[in-house]
Amino acid sequence: EIVLTQSPATLSLSPGERATLSCRASQSVAFYLAWYQHKPGQAPRLLIYDASNRATGIPARFSGSGSGTDFTLTISSLEPEDFAVYYCQQRTNWPPTFGPGTKVDVK
Amino acid sequence: EVQLVESGGGLVQPGGSLRLSCEASGFTFSSYWMHWVRQIPGKGLEWVARINRDDGYAKTYADSVKGRFTISRDNAKNTLFLQMNNVRAEDTAVYYCVREMTERGHLFDNWGQGTLVTVSS
Repeated sequence: EIVLTQSPATLSLSPGERATLSCRASQSVAFYLAWYQHKPGQAPRLLIYDASNRATGIPARFSGSGSGTDFTLTISSLEPEDFAVYYCQQRTNWPPTFGPGTKVDVK
Repeated sequence: EVQLVESGGGLVQPGGSLRLSCEASGFTFSSYWMHWVRQIPGKGLEWVARINRDDGYAKTYADSVKGRFTISRDNAKNTLFLQMNNVRAEDTAVYYCVREMTERGHLFDNWGQGTLVTVSS
């Protein structure tokens, strides 16, 4: 199965700052990479799919890039509601797999 | 508004059984492939099982649960199920009911809030 690694494990930033999260795949996933946001006690939310497409209702401050094995999620200017855990997920190969997550917390 | 509401979690002994349910609303349930995804406490997300739209005959499972878990659906009641048999301690997790985006296999566009399953004696 394809293993996804995410870095950093924790990102400590202040509101208004730019967040850059990385996801690396153990083999090429083409562009079939998604990003999810997860807050404690809430349902995970799809942010980005197929590397760079924003899901319905997702603000423009969220953007995704990359292809093959290296991907990036960028939050251009952190809002208070953006502090959460972010997971990447590949759907190129079965089974679909997730990265271990990056926690974005308040500095 | 799409809603997925899980129920049925709780404490179960190793080797025991539990049946999770997920009530769907706000969309045409029968038209969507559905999944269960779990999160082991303090760890990441793991895909568990998938069932096709309409007749529900096509099912796939993670190797870790194959032969022990069964996914099913009742389109008349807009409900997804996960029958968990012979559970193990490592099945302890929050279980999420998840909808697959149309025409994008294994892309999860709506999630429930989850139900906690604890396997312990």
